[in-house]
Amino acid sequence: GAGVSQTPSNKVTEKGKYVELRCDPISGHTALYWYRQSLGQGPEFLIYFQGTGAADDSGLPNDRFFAVRPEGSVSTLKIQRTERGDSAVYLCASSLNRDRGTGELFFGEGSRLTVL
Amino acid sequence: EDKVVQSPLSLVVHEGDTVTLNCSYEVTNFRSLLWYKQEKKAPTFLFMLTSSGIEKKSGRLSSILDKKELFSILNITATQTGDSAVYLCAVVLYNQGGKLIFGQGTELSVKP
Repeated sequence: GAGVSQTPSNKVTEKGKYVELRCDPISGHTALYWYRQSLGQGPEFLIYFQGTGAADDSGLPNDRFFAVRPEGSVSTLKIQRTERGDSAVYLCASSLNRDRGTGELFFGEGSRLTVL
Repeated sequence: EDKVVQSPLSLVVHEGDTVTLNCSYEVTNFRSLLWYKQEKKAPTFLFMLTSSGIEKKSGRLSSILDKKELFSILNITATQTGDSAVYLCAVVLYNQGGKLIFGQGTELSVKP
């Protein structure tokens, strides 16, 4: 597609529920990133994919968070047993092969998650 | 611990004013520094800086990096209401792939 697409744009759920957030990167971009942004803060790194594999998942806060990218394109961020502290905007970004060092990430509009 | 600090956190100016936004960093294995503009949701790329002392310019916006003093500034001249946004600074490290370390952002509000 023309840009990074994220769905849903808004998700309200109850504490303890399971949620999935989807990211469709720019066509041809091999690198995909998930960030989380809380109100008044900068984005916080969660996980980075190069192709199908997670090259760096050091930012995932705990084992309730998991992300996949089975075919090297669309990615899904999965959050189990949601907690109120998970409420944030989840941003997805993509870029050309990171090793080329272009430095420019293209961000989606984000998925706003609210856990009641 | 690697960190990026932006100042001020918020700023209110009037149209036509010139503003300077600051970004300082303390990181290991610095590779480059990026500036983004975030209006509602998606941050949009402004500049990437890798070398000290070389100004990057785009219209009324310009930015420069000082790798000795570990900071960057973003200047906006003749501000317009459309410049109102959160400006984010982020650092890229060597050997850490796609991981950007962001500052907390500067919220700029330009009044007519």
